[in-house]
Amino acid sequence: SAVISQKPSRDICQRGTSLTIQCQVDSQVTMMFWYRQQPGQSLTLIATANQGSEATYESGFVIDKFPISRPNLTFSTLTVSNMSPEDSSIYLCSVEDSVNEQFFGPGTRLTVL
Amino acid sequence: QKEVEQDPGPLSVPEGAIVSLNCTYSNSAFQYFMWYRQYSRKGPELLMYTYSSGNKEDGRFTAQVDKSSKYISLFIRDSQPSDSATYLCAMAPGGTYKYIFGTGTRLKVLA
Repeated sequence: SAVISQKPSRDICQRGTSLTIQCQVDSQVTMMFWYRQQPGQSLTLIATANQGSEATYESGFVIDKFPISRPNLTFSTLTVSNMSPEDSSIYLCSVEDSVNEQFFGPGTRLTVL
Repeated sequence: QKEVEQDPGPLSVPEGAIVSLNCTYSNSAFQYFMWYRQYSRKGPELLMYTYSSGNKEDGRFTAQVDKSSKYISLFIRDSQPSDSATYLCAMAPGGTYKYIFGTGTRLKVLA
C-alpha cells in the first residue's frame, strides 16, 4: 500500500485565518480524497482531487471554504479558509489503489480558537 | 436514519476473548464493505476489504457480510491489548469510490 504523509500533524489557529494542509504520497495515484473526522462523528468526504481537473466537492462543502490543489500525481493540498471553531476537526487525505481500496494518511488535527 | 449504523461502544473484553463488531446499513446498493482500525491520534488503517456477501479471513480477523440482512461483522479471535483501538466500518456502492463510514466502535482489550 502507498505511504502517505501529511503536514502539519497538528495546529492551533485563530478564528478568521486560513490553514493549508499538505498530503504527499510515495507513489503516483490517480485519485486522492480529503475527509473530515469530527469527534463522535463518522469520516465525511469533503472532496475528490484528481490531477489536471477541478476538485469535486460533496454536498455541504464548497470550494471557497475548502480550496484544493492537485498539481501532480503524488501531492495535494487542502486549505481551510476563514476558520471558525466549528472547523476544529481532524482532516485526512486518502488515496485509492488499483483495486479500489482506500488508504489514509495520519491526519492533521486542527483546533480553531 | 443514518445510512450506516455502528454502536460507538466502548466495548471492553478480556485478553483472549473473541470480539464481534457490527454495522447495519440501509442502502441496498452497497457492494463493497471495509473495516478500518484507528489507533488514537493516527489515521485509519485498512484491515479488511470484501465484495458482496460471504466471509473473508485474514489471520485473527474474519469479516462477514450478510446482504439479505444488511449487516456486516468483524470478528477478532484471541484478542490482544494491542487490538485496543476504534474500528470503523465503511461501505460503497458498486462502481464508486464514495465510502460511507460508520461512527466507529471503540474497543478495549484488557490484559
